[in-house]
Amino acid sequence: SYELTQPPSVSVSPGQTARITCSGDAVPKVYTFWYQQKPGRAPVLVIYRDSERPSGIPERFSGSSSGTTVTLTISGVQAEDEADYYCQSADSSGAYWVFGGGTKLTVL
Amino acid sequence: EVQLLESGGGLVQPGGSLRLSCAASGFTSSSYAMSWVRQAPGKGLEWVSGISGSGSSTYYAESVKGRFTISRDNSKNTLYLQMNSLRVEDTALYYCAREPLHCSGGTCYSYGMDVWGQGTTVTVFS
Repeated sequence: SYELTQPPSVSVSPGQTARITCSGDAVPKVYTFWYQQKPGRAPVLVIYRDSERPSGIPERFSGSSSGTTVTLTISGVQAEDEADYYCQSADSSGAYWVFGGGTKLTVL
Repeated sequence: EVQLLESGGGLVQPGGSLRLSCAASGFTSSSYAMSWVRQAPGKGLEWVSGISGSGSSTYYAESVKGRFTISRDNSKNTLYLQMNSLRVEDTALYYCAREPLHCSGGTCYSYGMDVWGQGTTVTVFS
């Protein structure tokens, strides 16, 4: 079955830049989405179609894609950004969605 | 206000069945694809099933194919997930999510899951 690979954890200090990667063979062919999930809360869409930001999402959140890897970048990280982040994409056939294993962002 | 409200979760023994519902309000649900996504305790997100706005197309993760059935009643703005032959590993918080699509030339592109409910808990215990 198709898999998306994320690092289990990323740690940064406030004000620094956090980069969370997501790798998968089909990434160059299909769009990827990013979600933020805080404890006890439902996920929130923070990036769609690789690099688009939904309304209401701060400009410090951005997305990019290169080869088989997509990256969520959070510039000027704030304490409120501490959360789990999940990438989501489809297999190459587009028949089903897959989530990455999630990355816990810790703000030191 | 755009909202999704799940219900129908509960405790069930292995082999049992449950029917989850997801009531949409604040938007016309027939204009959107919908998905069910689950999260086992302390684990990550797992996509379970999806359905087109009309209900004519359905999609399933391999882990639930043949056991779960997704459907929708657009006249009631409600999404369903019929879960049969439940297993211990189906224990999770089940979310429904709205998925806007852009369709052109026979191909549809997703805008991601932009609205989520708060989830309903399914516990399968032996």
